[in-house]
Amino acid sequence: DGGITQSPKYLFRKEGQNVTLSCEQNLNHDAMYWYRQDPGQGLRLIYYSQIVNDFQKGDIAEGYSVSREKKESFPLTVTSAQKNPTAFYLCASSVPKASGNTIYFGEGSWLTVV
Amino acid sequence: SQQGEEDPQALSIQEGENATMNCSYKTSINNLQWYRQNSGRGLVHLILIRSNEREKHSGRLRVTLDTSKKSSSLLITASRAADTASYFCATDAFYSNYQLIWGAGTKLIIKP
Repeated sequence: DGGITQSPKYLFRKEGQNVTLSCEQNLNHDAMYWYRQDPGQGLRLIYYSQIVNDFQKGDIAEGYSVSREKKESFPLTVTSAQKNPTAFYLCASSVPKASGNTIYFGEGSWLTVV
Repeated sequence: SQQGEEDPQALSIQEGENATMNCSYKTSINNLQWYRQNSGRGLVHLILIRSNEREKHSGRLRVTLDTSKKSSSLLITASRAADTASYFCATDAFYSNYQLIWGAGTKLIIKP
């Protein structure tokens, strides 16, 4: 079945460590996104990519990095520079078009700092 | 950045009743979408309404859009316990290069 796979579902990070969240899609979508969601809150855009080897910062990119070497993959690294990384992270993809940019989401990854 | 504001923030109703959630936004839009999120899961697209449409239906869902008031409503009729979730609106603004701007969501609880 087509979809977006995020891994791991739960991840614990020690202070000062970098961690990488994986996101793979087999929907053949050009655009991919990473969002952060804090408890009871909406979505905030971290990074997005509209094409391979290109990506743009979203609203809260500081302390995060991404790469887009393949169309189907968009990993997110949470660096030690991110001071408050405990949150729910959502990867998504879409085919942006003027008639509407419908976003498809993965199941999310919970990151906790210990 | 968040453009949409959902109202109410939380809503608790009895099974079988209708649930209405509202979304307001600030800038001109191409279209508005509603998504659903079960607790601890990803979001799922429910319905999209274009700026030149006023009402749209999908099963038990009815969405209205009033561009003069910059607002939308989502009505879920004959609610079921399985409708318990958070509901988010997202707008696609003319200037945004197709990027969606999200509201903070309405948490809906259906009591059996």
